[in-house]
Amino acid sequence: AQKVTQAQTEISVVEKEDVTLDCVYETRDTTYYLFWYKQPPSGELVFLIRRNSFDEQNEISGRYSWNFQKSTSSFNFTITASQVVDSAVYFCALSATGGGNKLTFGTGTQLKVEL
Amino acid sequence: NAGVTQTPKFRILKIGQSMTLQCTQDMNHNYMYWYRQDPGMGLKLIYYSVGAGITDKGEVPNGYNVSRSTTEDFPLRLELAAPSQTSVYFCASSAGWGTEAFFGQGTRLTVV
Repeated sequence: AQKVTQAQTEISVVEKEDVTLDCVYETRDTTYYLFWYKQPPSGELVFLIRRNSFDEQNEISGRYSWNFQKSTSSFNFTITASQVVDSAVYFCALSATGGGNKLTFGTGTQLKVEL
Repeated sequence: NAGVTQTPKFRILKIGQSMTLQCTQDMNHNYMYWYRQDPGMGLKLIYYSVGAGITDKGEVPNGYNVSRSTTEDFPLRLELAAPSQTSVYFCASSAGWGTEAFFGQGTRLTVV
């Protein structure tokens, strides 16, 4: 069975602070994919990044960066110099083998960025 | 490009009523999904399909049914609505394993 844990329910920061959202996953499969999605107040789900289990390179995209560590089963997401527009719920998700590309989601982290 | 389109966006049902949530995608994706999102619980998979004519249960299928007669459409049927089915429902599609899922705008359903 697959499991994704996002222990941080809510985080509040002041604009321009850096913030890291934690994601810990469990799977017995050796091949799997990890994802991050953003859900702004408008409610839609926006894809941010995908990482496969064989690629442990960290990735940076503008103010966003992701740290994947198989040794600790973690796929953490850092926002540098946060902005009010980053306020959203962020979900980490796992797709393991077994057909269907089914996503197992964490419970999400509500990020509030204030002026 | 429309992507994944869900209708309706909002609906209020009385206990025991039935309804169908419509979902269509124009990306020629084989895989389609229905998730429900309850407050503080993340998204749970209700049903999924890997191609026309093929459907399978997800984590929380009770009280729902689906069909997949075409690649584009994947409707979700609620037969006897119950208050526990009050939720936000998302339809999604993806091209294959390991690819990102594209989500519809969601349907906010309230059962009273």
